[in-house]
Amino acid sequence: SQELEQSPQSLIVQEGKNLTINCTSSKTLYGLYWYKQKYGEGLIFLMMLQKGGEEKSHEKITAKLDEKKQQSSLHITASQPSHAGIYLCGARYNFGNEKLTFGTGTRLTIIP
Amino acid sequence: SQTIHQWPATLVQPVGSPLSLECTVEGTSNPNLYWYRQAAGRGLQLLFYSVGIGQISSEVPQNLSASRPQDRQFILSSKKLLLSDSGFYLCAWSVRVSGRGDRPYEQYFGPGTRLTVT
Repeated sequence: SQELEQSPQSLIVQEGKNLTINCTSSKTLYGLYWYKQKYGEGLIFLMMLQKGGEEKSHEKITAKLDEKKQQSSLHITASQPSHAGIYLCGARYNFGNEKLTFGTGTRLTIIP
Repeated sequence: SQTIHQWPATLVQPVGSPLSLECTVEGTSNPNLYWYRQAAGRGLQLLFYSVGIGQISSEVPQNLSASRPQDRQFILSSKKLLLSDSGFYLCAWSVRVSGRGDRPYEQYFGPGTRLTVT
């Protein structure tokens, strides 16, 4: 099984609605990264979480890391067409190991 | 501010031909550099990373190699491409932390190169 699982794999939401994407790790995280990708383009860095219980927001996007540091959620409030794309979570598992392990992504479609 | 460049943006190469993809970073010094591949249906996979000039770590045995001839330049190469090398190649950078840092650092990605091997 995957070290990092994302759910759902795809999401279709009406414009203006709220939505949540989840990322679950089989191991304790040292850092959890959220990225957004439009098809054929590079990854746009959204947020990074490190501490258990941490929560960060950027415009209408909020990301949280649970106290056990094994699960993160990304919440979008009042979704807009510009939010459409693929959301990827990336995990770093310990200091000194710079590698990121990525989830399989969540494809978000916003319906007008 | 920091900027990361990749070229070419797209590439179509026949099987058996060589490959050279380039990545450069501006606005920072001594970065950690990374090559990832995103293949259809397989997610994003780390291929190589480098903590300094000439220092390359390989994550996945494959037909590819990487080199870092200058501090802010990272090159991905192959002597003979395979069909399975097709994919979207992404370069990334992060701050290099010396000693024991107190937190992980952000990792930023370039625009990518789409490689199609025919």
